[in-house]
Amino acid sequence: ELKVEQNPLFLSMQEGKNYTIYCNYSTTSDRLYWYRQDPGKSLESLFVLLSNGAVKQEGRLMASLDTKARLSTLHITAAVHDLSATYFCAVDQETSGSRLTFGEGTQLTVNP
Amino acid sequence: DAGVTQSPTHLIKTRGQQVTLRCSPISGHKSVSWYQQVLGQGPQFIFQYYEKEERGRGNFPDRFSARQFPNYSSELNVNALLLGDSALYLCASSLVFRTVKTNSPLHFGNGTRLTVT
Repeated sequence: ELKVEQNPLFLSMQEGKNYTIYCNYSTTSDRLYWYRQDPGKSLESLFVLLSNGAVKQEGRLMASLDTKARLSTLHITAAVHDLSATYFCAVDQETSGSRLTFGEGTQLTVNP
Repeated sequence: DAGVTQSPTHLIKTRGQQVTLRCSPISGHKSVSWYQQVLGQGPQFIFQYYEKEERGRGNFPDRFSARQFPNYSSELNVNALLLGDSALYLCASSLVFRTVKTNSPLHFGNGTRLTVT
């Protein structure tokens, strides 16, 4: 059974600081997603990582994938309050169809 | 273009009742998936439907069922509701059946918040 673990689960940081969220998964996978969720809202797709060594950046967020280590990271640069949300990684393991297994989520709070 | 739409947005039911949740995918998307998100946890896969056929099922009891219509919209039914069924139910659509090896993410709707009392 595929397991996806994120850490930390809770992260409180000051504006302007850098930090990294880690996502480990237990079996090989072809695809890894990062999603953002604001309170009471749905999931917003941030990144889709398809191959080993993939790196994608959007604004202050950068995601990377190491399929050999079964590890993805989401790096936050110079955090701002608007980045406060819960971030999920999800792994697509399905050999037929599409089935995402999500991590527990990292609740990020950026303080002024 | 309209995104994935779900109805209703909120629902309150009592134990033992039955509920039907509805989802309309993005225009042109033929695959619909359902996820359950309990408060404080990540979403869990329930079903995937493609071209009106069930293509995947998660670890949920038979009280959960779904179907997809010719226009690709979908319904999720839950019978004999339990308190533990209280959750946000998310519908996601995608253009293709197998999203592996493509850049196409799953597009999620805003969800239906189900409360069972």
